[in-house]
Amino acid sequence: GNSVTQMEGPVTLSEEAFLTINCTYTATGYPSLFWYVQYPGEGLQLLLKATKADDKGSNKGFEATYRKETTSFHLEKGSVQVSDSAVYFCALRPTSGTYKYIFGTGTRLKVLA
Amino acid sequence: EAGVTQSPTHLIKTRGQQATLRCSPISGHTSVYWYQQALGLGLQFLLWYDEGEERNRGNFPPRFSGRQFPNYSSELNVNALELEDSALYLCASSLPGQGYGYTFGSGTRLTVV
Repeated sequence: GNSVTQMEGPVTLSEEAFLTINCTYTATGYPSLFWYVQYPGEGLQLLLKATKADDKGSNKGFEATYRKETTSFHLEKGSVQVSDSAVYFCALRPTSGTYKYIFGTGTRLKVLA
Repeated sequence: EAGVTQSPTHLIKTRGQQATLRCSPISGHTSVYWYQQALGLGLQFLLWYDEGEERNRGNFPPRFSGRQFPNYSSELNVNALELEDSALYLCASSLPGQGYGYTFGSGTRLTVV
């Protein structure tokens, strides 16, 4: 079946540090892949997406590349800010069937000034 | 363009009562998805509606139900509330088909006392 595995949190970094949040998936075919961010007390916001192999999604300094060979979609940012503190969810949308998203369990990021 | 709107923002109910949560999708979006986010847990898929029909259901008891209206807005009903139903309920909408991202609402925080 389809599944998404994210690294356990929380991740605590100092401001301007490099961020990587690992995400791997299991799916048949070529799912679309997404990263969502949830700030405290809010719903989820789409951060970036990639719909085919080798696509790179990017937004607000965050990047993730769809790696079919390693079934991964790791989230990276070169220099984090305190305002990036949030929970990050990796998700996939299957290529057929229900189209409902499969979410990872979320990774909490805390950035210290 | 208005985003996905959910109401009410907060809802407090007594165990055994019924709760009704509402969601208005983005104009043009025909699919509506409901997710439950309990404290400390990830997103659990509840229901998917498209074109007025229930397309898929998550692993929740029948007291969780809903419907989608002709204008594509949706309602989630939870009967015989239990304490463990306390959670953030998120609604998302999307265009039909694979590759389109969800747009989430800000959620309804349901507290059962």
